[in-house]
Amino acid sequence: DADVTQTPRNRITKTGKRIMLECSQTKGHDRMYWYRQDPGLGLRLIYYSFDVKDINKGEISDGYSVSRQAQAKFSLSLESAIPNQTALYFCATSDSSRSYEQYFGPGTRLTVT
Amino acid sequence: RKEVEQDPGPFNVPEGATVAFNCTYSNSASQSFFWYRQDCRKEPKLLMSVYSSGNEDGRFTAQLNRASQYISLLIRDSKLSDSATYLCVVNIGYSTLTFGKGTMLLVSP
Repeated sequence: DADVTQTPRNRITKTGKRIMLECSQTKGHDRMYWYRQDPGLGLRLIYYSFDVKDINKGEISDGYSVSRQAQAKFSLSLESAIPNQTALYFCATSDSSRSYEQYFGPGTRLTVT
Repeated sequence: RKEVEQDPGPFNVPEGATVAFNCTYSNSASQSFFWYRQDCRKEPKLLMSVYSSGNEDGRFTAQLNRASQYISLLIRDSKLSDSATYLCVVNIGYSTLTFGKGTMLLVSP
């Protein structure tokens, strides 16, 4: 079984809808991250969490919110989806002792029409 | 100026060739450096860390030049399976990673 899982893997939604992307990990890592990847723009950090009580904004947090429900679960919400949020979203985890080694989930391809 | 800059490529090379990628970073306070590999439509994975003294892992060699603020990756004896996008990654302050946009490598038979 994969160590970092994301659900759903693909989602098409309409403008204005609320959508939640979920991430779970079995690696026992304390740190979790959400990124989006767009062609030509690379990976950009949306939010990150160093433990259950610690949530931090990344480079591009506007329009997104997160919830760290447990050490193993980190959810990303789009309160009112817009077309320019169409992207490939990755969740990642790392251990605080080796935070540079991030383990990514398989990604969620989100399309907002 | 972008924090981490890479030539997007693609670099087209035949099997067995040696190919090198460079990456420049703008923040002189950057602490540590890495190369990640990303296959098409897949998640990125750590390839190797980059140390000031240079480091080698099989056919892969990474170098860091702090004075000029650039990082390099050399791949010797390229294999078809090396075809991927290589992401230059910088860690500032040991908190989060900043990813370059990647350099695409295509190895042909």
